[in-house]
Amino acid sequence: GENVEQHPSTLSVQEGDSAVIKCTYSDSASNYFPWYKQELGKRPQLIIDIRSNVGEKKDQRIAVTLNKTAKHFSLHITETQPEDSAVYFCAASRDNYQLIWGAGTKLIIKP
Amino acid sequence: DTGVSQDPRHKITKRGQNVTFRCDPISEHNRLYWYRQTLGQGPEFLTYFQNEAQLEKSRLLSDRFSAERPKGSFSTLEIQRTEQGDSAMYLCASSLRQATYNEQFFGPGTRLTVL
Repeated sequence: GENVEQHPSTLSVQEGDSAVIKCTYSDSASNYFPWYKQELGKRPQLIIDIRSNVGEKKDQRIAVTLNKTAKHFSLHITETQPEDSAVYFCAASRDNYQLIWGAGTKLIIKP
Repeated sequence: DTGVSQDPRHKITKRGQNVTFRCDPISEHNRLYWYRQTLGQGPEFLTYFQNEAQLEKSRLLSDRFSAERPKGSFSTLEIQRTEQGDSAMYLCASSLRQATYNEQFFGPGTRLTVL
């Protein structure tokens, strides 16, 4: 079945620097790739998503890139701020309902 | 609050007892999902409903687990004869099938501890 691998498991960056989180997926039929942010003790919240018909999408300081050939996609956060500290999850779906999730990346923003 | 709600937020039970959780989705959402999340892991898909029909069940959902959505609105997840391995956060999410994007909105979760 579908498998999503996410790296790194922990990422520590200086405030103001950029952070990049990478995911790979196994099912070439996957066509929807959301990224969720989960703060400690809170629910996951969608921050950005991309469909397989585009290669990049940006929303202010956040961007996602998709390489269908290599079956990987990445989250880029620029000008990181303390409130960006959280666990970030990537996910993939082929059927518009069942999301297969990565294991998460704990992002730490150092002041 | 018009978001997804779950009840209870915390449940502590003894091994062997039955527990039931409730999820109230966003009112116009016709899809409802249940996930299980353990510490340090991403959510694992358990099952999903479109209106009142349960359309998919993960192999993770043993016969001790049952979910219902009788009127296509709220849903319940029951775990019978709980085991310590059932301890986890149980998340509910909902989405709108007609939406261009399948954004799933999550509830706050029910944290289950089996002693």
